[in-house]
Amino acid sequence: KAGVTQTPRYLIKTRGQQVTLSCSPISGHRSVSWYQQTPGQGLQFLFEYFSETQRNKGNFPGRFSGRQFSNSRSEMNVSTLELGDSALYLCASGHTPETQYFGPGTRLLVL
Amino acid sequence: AQSVTQLDSQVPVFEEAPVELRCNYSSSVSVYLFWYVQYPNQGLQLLLKYLSGSTLVKGINGFEAEFNKSQTSFHLRKPSVHISDTAEYFCAVSGNQAGTALIFGKGTTLSVSS
Repeated sequence: KAGVTQTPRYLIKTRGQQVTLSCSPISGHRSVSWYQQTPGQGLQFLFEYFSETQRNKGNFPGRFSGRQFSNSRSEMNVSTLELGDSALYLCASGHTPETQYFGPGTRLLVL
Repeated sequence: AQSVTQLDSQVPVFEEAPVELRCNYSSSVSVYLFWYVQYPNQGLQLLLKYLSGSTLVKGINGFEAEFNKSQTSFHLRKPSVHISDTAEYFCAVSGNQAGTALIFGKGTTLSVSS
């Protein structure tokens, strides 16, 4: 069974640009969660989608958004990038917290 | 609200020595508890989890953890570490409902030297 796939793995953007990250969950998983990992703030929950609906949301500004498609693949978008958005963005798939599996992450560098 | 405190940011140990990584949590409701490991440039791998039942939980790679409700702790232990255990370890807590987020501690860097 293939694991969680995240693309791209690395990304460099400049301030003010926007970026879209993609996550393909494990086959059969209908829930996708996104987390941001930074040296200063650690791992923080962004949002969770289940069957194309956002079910839970963390405390991030509106520049951070996401969506989920009918095949359970999810994208997250960050608009008007700031230097502080540089981070490792992790996606996890699984219906409940105890069944979540994490992908390898997308490392975003904002210059 | 839930929170997690990992009491040590860095733990250096020698190979074959025992290790304990400490984790305390705060929650007003029943929780699930987890330990994850992260190797450089990789995602998170689940080491073990406590959902209910026996308070001693065994995980992968020889790790185990003990849930202590009275002390609100979930410390991770390994009796004999290897160089390959060098990594960052995260303790996390969540509620027991679908869609609940994982709340992570700041992480503990375990450095194993020969």
